[in-house]
Formats: sequence, C-alpha cells, structure tokens
Amino acid sequence: DQQVKQNSPSLSVQEGRISILNCDYTNSMFDYFLWYKKYPAEGPTFLISISSIKDKNEDGRFTVFLNKSAKHLSLHIVPSQPGDSAVYFCAASATGNQFYFGTGTSLTVIP
Amino acid sequence: EAGVAQSPRYKIIEKRQSVAFWCNPISGHATLYWYQQILGQGPKLLIQFQNNGVVDDSQLPKDRFSAERLKGVDSTLKIQPAKLEDSAVYLCASSSRTAHRGYTFGSGTRLTVV
Repeated sequence: DQQVKQNSPSLSVQEGRISILNCDYTNSMFDYFLWYKKYPAEGPTFLISISSIKDKNEDGRFTVFLNKSAKHLSLHIVPSQPGDSAVYFCAASATGNQFYFGTGTSLTVIP
Repeated sequence: EAGVAQSPRYKIIEKRQSVAFWCNPISGHATLYWYQQILGQGPKLLIQFQNNGVVDDSQLPKDRFSAERLKGVDSTLKIQPAKLEDSAVYLCASSSRTAHRGYTFGSGTRLTVV
C-alpha cells in the first residue's frame, strides 16, 4: 500500500527555469513532510521540510507547498541549476512515527 | 561532523547464502534506522532503534532478517538465507531525535543476490 506517491518518474527542465516536483499522500494523519535529494551511489540528503501547520516553507531556491485538503505537496526549485539534477524523494510521517517515502522523481536540468 | 558510515558498499552473493551489513551512525545520534530500497521504489523502513532498543520492526521479515545495535552505537543487519528479491540498496540512517528534522543517511550497501 503506497501511502506516498510521486506519479512523475522523471522531469526535464531547462537551466534557469522553474522545476516543480509533485507528491500526493493518502494518510490524513501525516503531519510532517520532507524532501530528500539523492545523487547516484550516495544516500539521500535532507533538503527541506514542512509541518502541517504551515502551507509553505522556503529555503533559498527551494520552496515546498502543502495543500492539506488535497493531500498534495510540491517542491519548487527556482532557478533550476544543472547541479540540481538528481532523484528527489518526498516523505511523510504522522507525529513520532516512521517516514513513508515516495518512489522518487528523477530531475534533469539541461544546461 | 563525520557522516553515517556503512560497509561494504557492494555485495554479490548467491541465493541461500548469508550476508551482513554494518552501520556506524553519527556520534551522539540515539536513533538508527535500516531502510531497504528496491530499484524503482522509495526507501522502506525495516527497523528502527532508539539507543539499543527496537522501536519498530513491523516490516522486517523476521524469518530471514535480523538486526542488532549492541551498546547503542553501531548496528549490523543480517540476511540468512538470502533470496533473489532481497536484491536492493540497504540504507542506514541516524537522527538525534526520533523522526523529525530528517535523518542523515549513509551511502548504502548495494546487495545483488544471484
């Protein structure tokens, strides 16, 4: 049972443009969400988080938006850079419990 | 600070053999996790330790998988006997608090069962 879904396996964007990565979840008890970035042959690295008490969190070029009614979150990267090319995972948890991960979206930023 | 260390990086074994993975978390991190990531899927939690106690092992196939975290520091994950479907990357992660603010992952061990 996939509680966190990333329906786009891959995304290609021109350098300098906006990248939008989407994530949907099914469990209404989820109240904390993370985005991880993963380069080949490395472990995932934490990128940005958002709590369910917020609908937006921003960190430099990265912004995460949360729409609780739609059970949807998105990661915006502006402007996109070639170094952003990686696999991005979203993850969600209910307070104090394990994180459930999506299947990932492979982002390619074209110079 | 040093990251989460895992070894080996790669392992190829035949089905029905046994294998063990090792993880050394970030110093001072009380919580340690083992995740399994099958190709094309997201990481799936196998077991979570808080110090040397098990918090959650509900998704650990206990007939073949075992894990321990003696002295609340480093940890080993064992598979015995291995099956073809165990081929995956095994990720270890640690955090200073349970769950939130994200984990720090190691580079993982890529297991291939042939």
